[in-house]
Amino acid sequence: GQNIDQPTEMTATEGAIVQINCTYQTSGFNGLFWYQQHAGEAPTFLSYNVLDGLEEKGRFSSFLSRSKGYSYLLLKELQMKDSASYLCAVRDSNYQLIWGAGTKLIIKP
Amino acid sequence: DAMVIQNPRYQVTQFGKPVTLSCSQTLNHNVMYWYQQKSSQAPKLLFHYYDKDFNNEADTPDNFQSRRPNTSFCFLDIRSPGLGDAAMYLCATSRELSGANVLTFGAGSRLTVL
Repeated sequence: GQNIDQPTEMTATEGAIVQINCTYQTSGFNGLFWYQQHAGEAPTFLSYNVLDGLEEKGRFSSFLSRSKGYSYLLLKELQMKDSASYLCAVRDSNYQLIWGAGTKLIIKP
Repeated sequence: DAMVIQNPRYQVTQFGKPVTLSCSQTLNHNVMYWYQQKSSQAPKLLFHYYDKDFNNEADTPDNFQSRRPNTSFCFLDIRSPGLGDAAMYLCATSRELSGANVLTFGAGSRLTVL
């Protein structure tokens, strides 16, 4: 079966750095997405990785290792507004998007 | 701004009373999706349209139907809602199905079943 694993919940301090991990087992690979979802709202796109390595976009960076079936989302200089769920999704060989259940990130002052 | 709009944002219905949720887009995207999301769970794809071609997920109950009368609009019909159908229903669009095509989501319709 296809599976995406992410920690259920993480806590971090305002101003700090946090890394949210995602491991996947899918039928093929055609890219990995990270989305942010605030409580009661729709997911919004953060990043896309299809090649190994680090993609940096402001305070957020995303890393991919295809050989390890592994990605992480790195959030720097955390702000209270970063409190949200972070969803990892992989596009498989049939171009289906397989979603993780999300990691709820709690930011404390 | 180009966007995906869902109506209503909140829908309360009684057990067994049909419900229709709507989605419109100004992005002119080919693909429209309907997802069901329950609290702290992954979004679950119910079906998607590529243009007029309808694709139903194998495990989507018959209770859920969809219509796409034109490129801009898509509807989700729940014929006889049960308590287990209470969830957030998310509409999303993408230009194509493959590769780096990002899904753009609407704000969602939260369904409560009494």
